[in-house]
Amino acid sequence: DAGVIQSPRHEVTEMGQEVTLRCKPISGHNSLFWYRQTMMRGLELLIYFNNNVPIDDSGMPEDRFSAKMPNASFSTLKIQPSEPRDSAVYFCASSLSTREKLFFGSGTQLSVL
Amino acid sequence: SQQGEEDPQALSIQEGENATMNCSYKTSINNLQWYRQNSGRGLVHLILIRSNEREKHSGRLRVTLDTSKKSSSLLITASRAADTASYFCGENSGGSNYKLTFGKGTLLTVNP
Repeated sequence: DAGVIQSPRHEVTEMGQEVTLRCKPISGHNSLFWYRQTMMRGLELLIYFNNNVPIDDSGMPEDRFSAKMPNASFSTLKIQPSEPRDSAVYFCASSLSTREKLFFGSGTQLSVL
Repeated sequence: SQQGEEDPQALSIQEGENATMNCSYKTSINNLQWYRQNSGRGLVHLILIRSNEREKHSGRLRVTLDTSKKSSSLLITASRAADTASYFCGENSGGSNYKLTFGKGTLLTVNP
């Protein structure tokens, strides 16, 4: 298995633009997590899904952020409109269940100018 | 807010020495997990210890869990320069819907 695949690897955009981050979890995994990592705030859990259903989105910072999981093999995290303070590394992770170990993707480095 | 705090925030040792990192958490956990992150990469799982376990080993890694103190420690024995990385503990908790939340990590530097 190729592991968790995230795209793009790097994204540079201007303030106000829409940004879409993509994630393909490991086949057979039922849980998917989106995290954001910054020096100031560390690793923050944004939202997680179980069997494609959003379970907890309390970590999503604002209404500008939205996430979807239309099927078991694909998820997106969208920021619209983007702001400079959204600059961070965004990680997607998947697991067999919400009680098991996570497998992380390589992350998307987002820079909003 | 995120749960769990690692201590120390940074640790610098010589190759061959042992490294101990501590983690404190706040809730009732299902399990506690330790991860490693090399610069610019995603986190890699090291060890998962369940709430009814007290100690677990994997190669040069030893993890202990004290649920009465809500704390865990990660010991890396005979450290190598390649162990240089950030180490995070994640607490798996949440009642009916479990989730994994992390502290800010310990940056370990192993000098050759």
